[in-house]
Amino acid sequence: DAKTTQPNSMESNEEEPVHLPCNHSTISGTDYIHWYRQLPSQGPEYVIHGLTSNVNNRMASLAIAEDRKSSTLILHRATLRDAAVYYCIPNTGNQFYFGTGTSLTVIP
Amino acid sequence: NAGVMQNPRHLVRRRGQEARLRCSPMKGHSHVYWYRQLPEEGLKFMVYLQKENIIDESGMPKERFSAEFPKEGPSILRIQQVVRGDSAAYFCASSPGTSGSTTDTQYFGPGTRLTVL
Repeated sequence: DAKTTQPNSMESNEEEPVHLPCNHSTISGTDYIHWYRQLPSQGPEYVIHGLTSNVNNRMASLAIAEDRKSSTLILHRATLRDAAVYYCIPNTGNQFYFGTGTSLTVIP
Repeated sequence: NAGVMQNPRHLVRRRGQEARLRCSPMKGHSHVYWYRQLPEEGLKFMVYLQKENIIDESGMPKERFSAEFPKEGPSILRIQQVVRGDSAAYFCASSPGTSGSTTDTQYFGPGTRLTVL
């Protein structure tokens, strides 16, 4: 199982970009990298996923290092609704392994 | 398109009682996953089911816990003789199962919060 390392917490000012890093140095070649977030008292919400190339969707961008040992989730303009715990999950199959994630605080 | 539905949202049981948690996957999804989240911790995988089959139950406690996903109806997570340590949020997720397990995105329900008195 690929282990991940994420900062415990980060802060961002509202309407500024946020870069959430994740190290997954033991990832295997076929593991997709998923990002989820969890708002208080809610279930995890899918954000984005990718394999090798950088990915964009309406919520965020995902930048994957060339060696795939790390990735960065980019929120282009943080809003108060983006305050959540963000989980980086290399998908090794059926199970998603949620670590402790990064708790993002957005400052008005 | 309704998302993953879970009920009840909150469940209170006394020690020794049974808890039954239900999960209806998204329309068109045939794969269901159950996770447990203890207070102040991340989610932990419990079991992965397809219709009428348990595919991976490596995260399930060996005793008192069982899960099913019948041909018709929701998936059920059953906890017999609950103890205080079972108090947690239980999340269900579903996926379409069409793109292979390494790429399938899982969509989560709102969870059932179980409190054991």
